Amino acid sequence: DVKVTQSSRYLVKRTGEKVFLECVQDMDHENMFWYRQDPGLGLRLIYFSYDVKMKEKGDIPEGYSVSREKKERFSLILESASTNQTSMYLCASSLLSGQGAVFGYTFGSGTRLTVV
Amino acid sequence: AQSVTQLDSQVPVFEEAPVELRCNYSSSVSVYLFWYVQYPNQGLQLLLKYLSGSTLVESINGFEAEFNKSQTSFHLRKPSVHISDTAEYFCAVTLNTGFQKLVFGTGTRLLVSP
Repeated sequence: DVKVTQSSRYLVKRTGEKVFLECVQDMDHENMFWYRQDPGLGLRLIYFSYDVKMKEKGDIPEGYSVSREKKERFSLILESASTNQTSMYLCASSLLSGQGAVFGYTFGSGTRLTVV
Repeated sequence: AQSVTQLDSQVPVFEEAPVELRCNYSSSVSVYLFWYVQYPNQGLQLLLKYLSGSTLVESINGFEAEFNKSQTSFHLRKPSVHISDTAEYFCAVTLNTGFQKLVFGTGTRLLVSP
């Protein structure tokens, strides 16, 4: 089975801290995505990547950056955490650069981040 | 840009009753449509998808969805639900050309009680 592993299930950080959320997939997928999930808002795309070192902004990139130095790893960075970034963060991956949605996304279990 | 509307945030239903979760999409070009399910404390899993062909698609656990182009809908149905179907269900859409990134609806929480 394809696995997408998010390093932390729960995380508590202080306002102003730099936060790293890590995501690793083990099936050689080209595309990787970061979403945040909030009640009543569904999933909103933060950033995505279709190849190593390539990244594209999603719908809500403000306050975030990403890094993809290796194909299997996609990191989400909160440069200076704020309370409005308290959320569930979901990582996903898919096959075939740019065309993988038809095969379905594989999601990680999520990281619930609380910023205090 | 494409978008998805799930009007029902929560649908309570008794076990063995039928259920319909509604999904409407907006797009000026052809799309692919999906339903994902999220069980408590888990990530999302693909439930079923419409790419082309027959407008009625089915999942392995008894759910089905029908693509209706004229009404721009992709409603999810099950004739008899189980307690284990309690989860959040997300409808999603992507364009069938260009870079395919999913746009999700706001989700519908299905609550099945005995």
